[in-house]
Amino acid sequence: AQTVTQSQPEMSVQEAETVTLSCTYDTSESDYYLFWYKQPPSRQMILVIRQEAYKQQNATENRFSVNFQKAAKSFSLKISDSQLGDAAMYFCAYRGTSGTYKYIFGTGTRLKVLA
Amino acid sequence: DTGVSQNPRHKITKRGQNVTFRCDPISEHNRLYWYRQTLGQGPEFLTYFQNEAQLEKSRLLSDRFSAERPKGSFSTLEIQRTEQGDSAMYLCASSLFAGNNYGYTFGSGTRLTVV
Repeated sequence: AQTVTQSQPEMSVQEAETVTLSCTYDTSESDYYLFWYKQPPSRQMILVIRQEAYKQQNATENRFSVNFQKAAKSFSLKISDSQLGDAAMYFCAYRGTSGTYKYIFGTGTRLKVLA
Repeated sequence: DTGVSQNPRHKITKRGQNVTFRCDPISEHNRLYWYRQTLGQGPEFLTYFQNEAQLEKSRLLSDRFSAERPKGSFSTLEIQRTEQGDSAMYLCASSLFAGNNYGYTFGSGTRLTVV
């Protein structure tokens, strides 16, 4: 069975600084997708960035980028130039490429942005 | 496209009562998922529909839980004889087709409190 681990329950970052959120996963599959989702307080989950396992190039979306290390089964999220609006819970998620396409989520990292 | 809509947003019920939640997915999305999120945890998969067919149910979905998606449109999740352990956020998500690496679109969730 696949598992996703986020070992940082909470992180803090100064506004305009850079922060990295960690995620490791376990799977026996060779092809899969990885995602980072943002969940602001009392609001819906929003897709931040996605990575296809067969792509070696790390995904980037504006201030958000990932460091995908397939052999190490690591998938970290880097947020550059942090803004107050980045404060939220961040969930790492794994999804296979067959069957139900259900997600396996980590337990989340709460990001605080300090002004 | 108005996104995924969930109603009600909040529900407080007494132990032993039945509750029903509704999810209206994005109209062209054929896949619909229900997840449960307890405090401090990531969302956990409950069940999945492709069109009107319920194709997978998690072991988390006890006999007190039932979900439907008549005509492949909106979906309902009913919990009978609620217990305090059922208190959680119930999230609905939809996606267009298998292999969609853009991920799901989530609703804002229904927060259930059983007193």
